[in-house]
Amino acid sequence: EPEVTQTPSHQVTQMGQEVILRCVPISNHLYFYWYRQILGQKVEFLVSFYNNEISEKSEIFDDQFSVERPDGSNFTLKIRSTKLEDSAMYFCASKQGLNTEAFFGQGTRLTVV
Amino acid sequence: AQSVTQPDIHITVSEGASLELRCNYSYGATPYLFWYVQSPGQGLQLLLKYFSGDTLVQGIKGFEAEFKRSQSSFNLRKPSVHWSDAAEYFCAVGPRAYKYIFGTGTRLKVLA
Repeated sequence: EPEVTQTPSHQVTQMGQEVILRCVPISNHLYFYWYRQILGQKVEFLVSFYNNEISEKSEIFDDQFSVERPDGSNFTLKIRSTKLEDSAMYFCASKQGLNTEAFFGQGTRLTVV
Repeated sequence: AQSVTQPDIHITVSEGASLELRCNYSYGATPYLFWYVQSPGQGLQLLLKYFSGDTLVQGIKGFEAEFKRSQSSFNLRKPSVHWSDAAEYFCAVGPRAYKYIFGTGTRLKVLA
């Protein structure tokens, strides 16, 4: 069964460093998302991406964040200069079309120290 | 404003007992509704979804949910809970294309 895959599963980084979280969405999907879940809190929307551009972003998704689909298969989230409060589980999701459900990856746990 | 409320933060049931997890939403149009389950350290797995049609939807693992427009609810049910159902359950509402709004989750504990 096709699935969304995320790498790495766990990343530890020092405050101020750049990190790139990687996702491979399901191959025929057209809509891509990043969500995050701070420990013990709810899942929060970060950004949606369609047709090679950002469709919508939340107030969390500030200038420190960027997304890219560099080669038609990968979908990346970059955090330019990490802060302690960026520590969270980051989920990538994709969906095929408007009237379909999103499939989520297993997540990348980011720990900023 | 769009929102999802899961009133129960924690629920404990005995194995074999029935289960109902509550979800209420606030949304301007007809929503798309979802239940996801998250086992410890795992990602989000879709249990079931409601887009339109029959308001009682069947999902995986023996779960079902009923959409009640008049009550703005989409409660999740299971007639007989198994120990492996212990997890966190998230209700979500979404428009057709873009972001989902998640509830705060209900953590289910199952007693042997």
